[in-house]
Amino acid sequence: EVQLLESGGGLVQPGGSLRLSCAASGFTFSTYAMTWVRQAPGKGLEWVSAIVGGGGKAYYADSVQGRFTISRDNSKNTLYLQMNSLRAEDTAIYYCAKGAMQWLISYFDYWGQGAPVTVSS
Amino acid sequence: QLVLTQTPSASASLGASVNLTCALSGGHSTYAIAWYQQQPEKGPRSLMKVNSDGSHKRGDGIPDRFSGSTSGAEFYLTISSLQSEDEADYYCQTWDTGIQVFGTGTKVTV
Repeated sequence: EVQLLESGGGLVQPGGSLRLSCAASGFTFSTYAMTWVRQAPGKGLEWVSAIVGGGGKAYYADSVQGRFTISRDNSKNTLYLQMNSLRAEDTAIYYCAKGAMQWLISYFDYWGQGAPVTVSS
Repeated sequence: QLVLTQTPSASASLGASVNLTCALSGGHSTYAIAWYQQQPEKGPRSLMKVNSDGSHKRGDGIPDRFSGSTSGAEFYLTISSLQSEDEADYYCQTWDTGIQVFGTGTKVTV
């Protein structure tokens, strides 16, 4: 059974940093791209960042480019999102999602339960 | 630039059918999309992938009441025999060279 469990969310002041983790199980983690998706209160889904299975290539939405860093530790089956210079507009629930096609960044077949992030003074 | 446009809302009665539309712009004819369901206060759930030829592959445990199709640059999600638990937000999504894009979402009221 595929499971994705996010952690690390919380309240942080504007300009602060936070690191999210997503622990994966039930599949060969290193062969699937992984993605972070967020949802601001009352808003739709927004793609944040994606990383290929080997970790050698990452992609970012313009809204987070230069502030967020996605990474993965395939030995620990864990995905990360380092968030720096946080702004109020980064307030959202952050979901990790598993790529549905081996080796490719494409669509998703499994999602985590979400980690809430609130940026406020 | 890839853009997916969805009708903001749709409604239908219990037992009826509803068709949702996702219009793709900025892409080419071989693009595929995926559909997701988000019930109130829950995380997203993957419904299916719809290919450019109209074929579709449902996710694990997704009933065949959910089906997908396409016509040109428009993709469709049809929900048949509507049930109360189908009341949710529905999003389409596509991808290109690492970039992933979501549609604006459609709120379905049963």
